[in-house]
Amino acid sequence: KAGVTQTPRYLIKTRGQQVTLSCSPISGHRSVSWYQQTPGQGLQFLFEYFSETQRNKGNFPGRFSGRQFSNSRSEMNVSTLELGDSALYLCASSLGGTSSGNTIYFGEGSWLTVV
Amino acid sequence: QQQVKQSPQSLIVQKGGISIINCAYENTAFDYFPWYQQFPGKGPALLIAIRPDVSEKKEGRFTISFNKSAKQFSLHIMDSQPGDSATYFCAASKDGATNKLIFGTGTLLAVQP
Repeated sequence: KAGVTQTPRYLIKTRGQQVTLSCSPISGHRSVSWYQQTPGQGLQFLFEYFSETQRNKGNFPGRFSGRQFSNSRSEMNVSTLELGDSALYLCASSLGGTSSGNTIYFGEGSWLTVV
Repeated sequence: QQQVKQSPQSLIVQKGGISIINCAYENTAFDYFPWYQQFPGKGPALLIAIRPDVSEKKEGRFTISFNKSAKQFSLHIMDSQPGDSATYFCAASKDGATNKLIFGTGTLLAVQP
């Protein structure tokens, strides 16, 4: 069974540009969430999508957005990139029931460097 | 109220020793407490998780101890091995917020041979 797949794995962007990251969840998983990991702030929740609807949102500016498609694949977009957006962006998927405790599986992440 | 505090920041243990990592939380609505292990260049992987109705859970060499009244939980790694060298994160979430994990700051564990 394939795990959570994220593309691209590495990318370099210039300040002011925008970037789109892609995530394919584990087959059958309907919940996809995104996290930002930096040395300074650690792992921070960005947002979660379930059945194409945003179900939870973290404390990030509106430049960070996402969406989920009918096949559960998800994309996140960051517009007007800033140097501080340089981070590892992790996608995670789960079956997505309403109770906590669903095992959450993470992908290997997309390394974004903003120069 | 959403914080999860983790200590120590780094830990060095001899092979065969016990590694202990502690976490404390503030939000009493949290009802799910997983621990994740992350190797360099990889995403976090679930190690073990516990709910507040249980005081201890053991899976192989990994044990979670949970103290609801103190709002603290800890990970014990018995017979630590060099292959356990990684960063460990505690986390918490609450019912109705399934994939919204609040993570601790991480502990870098080095197990010396």
